[in-house]
Amino acid sequence: GENVEQHPSTLSVQEGDSAVIKCTYSDSASNYFPWYKQELGKRPQLIIDIRSNVGEKKDQRIAVTLNKTAKHFSLHITETQPEDSAVYFCAGLKRNTGFQKLVFGTGTRLLVSP
Amino acid sequence: GAGVSQSPSNKVTEKGKDVELRCDPISGHTALYWYRQSLGQGLEFLIYFQGNSAPDKSGLPSDRFSAERTGGSVSTLTIQRTQQEDSAVYLCASSSGTGRLAKNIQYFGAGTRLSVL
Repeated sequence: GENVEQHPSTLSVQEGDSAVIKCTYSDSASNYFPWYKQELGKRPQLIIDIRSNVGEKKDQRIAVTLNKTAKHFSLHITETQPEDSAVYFCAGLKRNTGFQKLVFGTGTRLLVSP
Repeated sequence: GAGVSQSPSNKVTEKGKDVELRCDPISGHTALYWYRQSLGQGLEFLIYFQGNSAPDKSGLPSDRFSAERTGGSVSTLTIQRTQQEDSAVYLCASSSGTGRLAKNIQYFGAGTRLSVL
């Protein structure tokens, strides 16, 4: 089955710097990789996702890259701002008999200092 | 339209008591998930319902935990004989279904914060 590992567990950057969070997955058949952001006390919300037929996807200051050969994908945040401080979760789609299920990584706590 | 709704938002109970947590998914969503999130921790998968298929219960930590989904809509997570280690935020999420990848986007409720004294 699918197993998703996420690194680092915590990441501290200065405002304006870039932040990179990395995830690896085990199921080579996985084909969908979303990223969720969870602000303190709030619910997780989807911020960007990528499908396996695409190597990179960008949305303003956020980008996600996917390396299918190495089975890893990364979230890149440029020009970080204090409001980017949150916990970020990656996920991969696990295939099971009859249906699919998202498997989440353990999360990265990002702290952006002014 | 309305998002995923969970109730109660907070629940304080005594050790040994049973609790029921409710989740109202987005209308029309066929997939429903329950997760547990302990303080400062990640999302621990508990159970997954998809349409009329048998649920994936592989994440339930013990037989004190059970869940049902009536009529393919509202779901109830029941914890029997609660223990202090059950204290956590219980999150529910729904998605519109399987097949097309976009349908796997999960929308989360605000969660139920359970405190077992």
